[in-house]
Amino acid sequence: EDQVTQSPEALRLQEGESSSLNCSYTVSGLRGLFWYRQDPGKGPEFLFTLYSAGEEKEKERLKATLTKKESFLHITAPKPEDSATYLCAVQVYDYKLSFGAGTTVTVRA
Amino acid sequence: NAGVTQTPKFRVLKTGQSMTLLCAQDMNHEYMYWYRQDPGMGLRLIHYSVGEGTTAKGEVPDGYNVSRLKKQNFLLGLESAAPSQTSVYFCASNHYEGVFRPEAFFGQGTRLTVV
Repeated sequence: EDQVTQSPEALRLQEGESSSLNCSYTVSGLRGLFWYRQDPGKGPEFLFTLYSAGEEKEKERLKATLTKKESFLHITAPKPEDSATYLCAVQVYDYKLSFGAGTTVTVRA
Repeated sequence: NAGVTQTPKFRVLKTGQSMTLLCAQDMNHEYMYWYRQDPGMGLRLIHYSVGEGTTAKGEVPDGYNVSRLKKQNFLLGLESAAPSQTSVYFCASNHYEGVFRPEAFFGQGTRLTVV
């Protein structure tokens, strides 16, 4: 059975304290891995797509990387506005995404 | 450009009542999805549609029905609501540009409570 596991469940950071979120997956035939940001009371907002091991994508203080078994979302020198829940999803076949439970990041000033 | 709009945003139902959630997108997307989000469980796919007039079951379809009579609208129905259907429901859409573009656009969500 395809599984997507995110860790940790929650992460509390001081402003400027860099850290990483993990998304591990057990799927056969990965076609793509996606990161989303979700603010309280809002729908997920697309951040990145990664298609092959070794690929990296960056956006402001966020950097996503992909290996054959997991993906990391690195947050460099976070600010309070980076506080959100970060969701990982994988596309295995056809048009569907399987989501992890998310990591809730809180950045304190 | 409104993107993906869900109606209503909040609803309280009594057990056994029925209701329909509406999702509308103005991006001319082919693919539309309904997810539910529960604490600690992430987003789970209920039903999806790959085009007007088509629907298919997702991961947790029991107790729900859907229709896609118009390309821009995807309706999610609960015929007889149960407390287990208390959740936040999200609609999403994405598009096809010669190749499938899986970066989905999400609505703002509908918070449903069944008492």
